[in-house]
This record gives sequence, C-alpha cells and structure tokens, in this order.
Amino acid sequence: KAGVTQTPRYLIKTRGQQVTLSCSPISGHRSVSWYQQTPGQGLQFLFEYFSETQRNKGNFPGRFSGRQFSNSRSEMNVSTLELGDSALYLCASSSTGYNSPLHFGNGTRLTVT
Amino acid sequence: AQSVSQHNHHVILSEAASLELGCNYSYGGTVNLFWYVQYPGQHLQLLLKYFSGDPLVKGIKGFEAEFIKSKFSFNLRKPSVQWSDTAEYFCAVISKTGTASKLTFGTGTRLQVTL
Repeated sequence: KAGVTQTPRYLIKTRGQQVTLSCSPISGHRSVSWYQQTPGQGLQFLFEYFSETQRNKGNFPGRFSGRQFSNSRSEMNVSTLELGDSALYLCASSSTGYNSPLHFGNGTRLTVT
Repeated sequence: AQSVSQHNHHVILSEAASLELGCNYSYGGTVNLFWYVQYPGQHLQLLLKYFSGDPLVKGIKGFEAEFIKSKFSFNLRKPSVQWSDTAEYFCAVISKTGTASKLTFGTGTRLQVTL
C-alpha cells in the first residue's frame, strides 16, 4: 500500500508570494490533516479535512487555507508569505480522523526569503 | 488553551539504560493520548496510544506509557534502550469538547542512544 505522498519536497519562495502544497493520502483514507513543524514550536496543527469538509482548524491566520478533493487528495495554500512561514509542512492521513493512527508523509520544506 | 509539555528536549543514554520521557498536558476533560516517533530520515509514525481502559499501554518495539489522570501525565518508558531507538519522540493529546476535538503535539524530545 503506497504511503502518504507530499509534493513538492522542497520549495523556495520570496516574501509576498503564495504557495500551494499537495498531499495524496493512503488509499481509502478520508481524513487529511496538515501540520507545521519548526525547531522552536514543534508540530502545530493547521487543519483537518474529512470528505471534502474542513472539520477542525488550528490557530493559524487566514493566509493559511486548504481544501480536499473528492478523491481525498488535499492541497494547502499559503498566501502573502512571510519569513516566519519557513518550516516543514507535514500532511497526515487516517481512516476516520485523529483518533485513528495518523500516517505522515515526508513533508514539504518551505523556505521563504 | 490546551498545551502539551515535554520537558526533556534532548536526552542522551547508553545502550541498555532505562528510558522515561515526560509528557504533561493541561486539559482537564476527556483526552486521547499518543506517542509518535520520528527516526532519522523517516516520517513520523505511531508508537502507542491510549483511549480508555488500562492506563498502562504497550506499543511497538518494547515501549510502554502510563496515563496518570491525577498528574495529567502520559510518560513514555522503555526498560532497556537500543542504539536503534535514537529518534525524536512526540507526545500528542486530543481534547474533546462536545463534538469538536483539538489535537496538540508537544515540542518533541530528541533521544540519542550511544553504544
């Protein structure tokens, strides 16, 4: 069974630009959640989608948004990038949501210059 | 706001030493508790979880954790570590309020096992 796939692996953007990250979950998983990982803050929850609906949301500004498609693939968008958005963005899929084990992808490393 | 504290940021142990990593959370209601592990160069994976029942849960690779409700703690233990346990360990807590749930991770503990 293929794992969670995140593309691209690396991204370099400049301040003010926007970026879209993609996540393909494990086949059959309907929940996709996104996390920002930084050395100082650890893993912070961004949002969770289940069957194309945002079900839970963390404490991030509106510049961070996402969506989920009918095939459960998900995208995360960050607009008006700031230097502080530089981080590893992880996606995780699960069959029903948080309470079932999360399967993480390898992440997208975003660098904002 | 809910928080999860992992006080040990970096732990160095010799092989065969015993391990205990601390995890404390701040939420007083119903919680589900997890430990995730990230081995070097690999993605995060579930080590063990607690939902209800026996507060002592066993996970993969000989790890166990004990939920102590009165102390708001879910410490991870292993009697004898191996070099291959070198990794970063994250405690995570799901708190439930009505139909909503919130997932919070600790900042992680980096474990280095020396030969």
